[in-house]
Amino acid sequence: GQNIDQPTEMTATEGAIVQINCTYQTSGFNGLFWYQQHAGEAPTFLSYNVLDGLEEKGRFSSFLSRSKGYSYLLLKELQMKDSASYLCATDNYGQNFVFGPGTRLSVLP
Amino acid sequence: KAGVTQTPRYLIKTRGQQVTLSCSPISGHRSVSWYQQTPGQGLQFLFEYFSETQRNKGNFPGRFSGRQFSNSRSEMNVSTLELGDSALYLCASSSPEGGNIQYFGAGTRLSVL
Repeated sequence: GQNIDQPTEMTATEGAIVQINCTYQTSGFNGLFWYQQHAGEAPTFLSYNVLDGLEEKGRFSSFLSRSKGYSYLLLKELQMKDSASYLCATDNYGQNFVFGPGTRLSVLP
Repeated sequence: KAGVTQTPRYLIKTRGQQVTLSCSPISGHRSVSWYQQTPGQGLQFLFEYFSETQRNKGNFPGRFSGRQFSNSRSEMNVSTLELGDSALYLCASSSPEGGNIQYFGAGTRLSVL
């Protein structure tokens, strides 16, 4: 099975950098994915990792270490609009996703 | 390319009724997954269909069922509604060629009174 943990809430300041961690215990997956979800809206895809290491996409980067069962999402140059929930998920070899509980990020001015 | 479309956006039902939700995936996507999202439980996987076959099922009672048509559109049915079924129901589509990234529709918000 798959069990994913994330911090429940985080707070950061506009313009800062924040790292959201995700730890998992899983029997196997192809990729680890990160989604952003604003209140009342659907999740939107941000980034994913298949191989260990860092994937950079503009202000967002994601890191994966399979040996440590660990991933993080790095958000740089935080903006107020980045206030949202961030969901970590593993795929079941491409069949369905298992989502973590999500981390609610509040960006303060 | 049009995104994932879910209808209806909002539904109000009473206990004991049944409901059918619809999902049209992104053109070319043959995999459709359904999730239930509640404040207490987060995003929970219901089932996944690929080419009209259910490939995987989550831990939900048999009152929750689904199907997929030859054009990849999918429907989800919940029978004998309970108060606890009130939730946001999300549909996502994906393709192996696209790295199996799941793209979500806006969801159907179901309220059971």
